[in-house]
Amino acid sequence: DAGVTQSPTHLIKTRGQQVTLRCSPKSGHDTVSWYQQALGQGPQFIFQYYEEEERQRGNFPDRFSGHQFPNYSSELNVNALLLGDSALYLCASSLSRFGELFFGEGSRLTVL
Amino acid sequence: AQSVAQPEDQVNVAEGNPLTVKCTYSVSGNPYLFWYVQYPNRGLQFLLKYITGDNLVKGSYGFEAEFNKSQTSFHLKKPSALVSDSALYFCAVRDMGYGGATNKLIFGTGTLLAVQP
Repeated sequence: DAGVTQSPTHLIKTRGQQVTLRCSPKSGHDTVSWYQQALGQGPQFIFQYYEEEERQRGNFPDRFSGHQFPNYSSELNVNALLLGDSALYLCASSLSRFGELFFGEGSRLTVL
Repeated sequence: AQSVAQPEDQVNVAEGNPLTVKCTYSVSGNPYLFWYVQYPNRGLQFLLKYITGDNLVKGSYGFEAEFNKSQTSFHLKKPSALVSDSALYFCAVRDMGYGGATNKLIFGTGTLLAVQP
């Protein structure tokens, strides 16, 4: 049974560019949440997707957007990248909006 | 607002000795508390959680945590540390700002556990 998978594992972008990160949830899960973990910090909640809609959002600007597909997979998009967007982006899936979170290995984004 | 604090950036312990990683919380209502571990360049792995019931919670890899309501603490413990336990440990609390209708977690800043051989 595959767990949460994320791609790409590492990527490098320059300021002003746009990036898309992808997440496939654990089999049977229908909810996907995204977290940003800056170096030396704990993960910070970005948003949660359920039934293809954004259900909750953390304190992140509109440059951060997402999508959930009918197969429950999800994308995180970040526009107009800033140096401060460099971080490990973690995807977590769950069965319902209240279920236990299972985290993927993360996508490490470096913005130069 | 809910929050957790991990007062130690790093904890050093010799292999075979008991270890404690500290966490205190601030919540309105009953807390849902979690511990996760993160190995270098990896995602988060769930260790244990406290929802209700016994104050001593047993989790994965021999870890346990003690919930103390009067001290608002949820310290992670292990009787005998292993070198392989060396990692970054995060305490987290469920955000109850949505009337409980969420699994959103608020994380602490993490504690690096270093176990010396």
